[in-house]
Amino acid sequence: EAGVAQSPRYKIIEKRQSVAFWCNPISGHATLYWYQQILGQGPKLLIQFQNNGVVDDSQLPKDRFSAERLKGVDSTLKIQPAKLEDSAVYLCASSLVGRAYEQYFGPGTRLTVT
Amino acid sequence: DQQVKQNSPSLSVQEGRISILNCDYTNSMFDYFLWYKKYPAEGPTFLISISSIKDKNEDGRFTVFLNKSAKHLSLHIVPSQPGDSAVYFCAASRGGAGNKLTFGGGTRVLVKP
Repeated sequence: EAGVAQSPRYKIIEKRQSVAFWCNPISGHATLYWYQQILGQGPKLLIQFQNNGVVDDSQLPKDRFSAERLKGVDSTLKIQPAKLEDSAVYLCASSLVGRAYEQYFGPGTRLTVT
Repeated sequence: DQQVKQNSPSLSVQEGRISILNCDYTNSMFDYFLWYKKYPAEGPTFLISISSIKDKNEDGRFTVFLNKSAKHLSLHIVPSQPGDSAVYFCAASRGGAGNKLTFGGGTRVLVKP
C-alpha cells in the first residue's frame, strides 16, 4: 500500500514570495490533515479536511495561508506572502473517517524562508 | 497555551537499559493518548496508544502508563535498542478516538551502543 506522498521535499524562498505544497493521501482515506512543525516543537494542526470539506481550520492563519482539496483526494497548501516565521516542516497526514488516532504521515516538506 | 508538554527535550540511554519518556497534559477533557516516533526526514509513525479508561498498555518492548489524577503519562522502552534513537511525540485527543490530535514538543532519544 502506497503511503502519503508529498512534494516538494525541500523549498527555499525569500520572504514575501508565495509557495505551494502538494499532498496525495493514502487511497481510501477521506480525512486529510496539514500540520506545521516548527523546529523543536510538535506538529500543530493547520487544517483538517473530510472529503473536500473543511472540518477544522481554527489554527490556520487565513490572511496568508490557504488550502484546498478538490475532488476529495489530493490537497494543496499555499502560503502567500511568506514570512520568516513560516520556516518549518509542513506535514500532511491522512486517515479513515473518525480515526484520527490512526493517522499516517507523509515525509513532509521543509520550507526555509530567507 | 501548551496543552500537552514534554519537559525533557532529550534523553540519552545505554543500549539494553530502560528509556522513560514523560508527558504532561492540562486539558482534563483529553481521553485518548498516543505516542509517535519520528526519524529524521520522515513523518511521525504511530507507536502505541492508551484510552483514559486504562492505566497501562503494553506492546512488546513499549509500555505506556497513564495517571489521570496527575494528568501524566509515560512511555517505557525496555530494553532500549540503537534503532530506537528518534524523536518521540506524545499526543492527546478529546471526545473519543476520532478527534484531532494535540502534540507535545517531542523528546529526542539517543540510545548508545
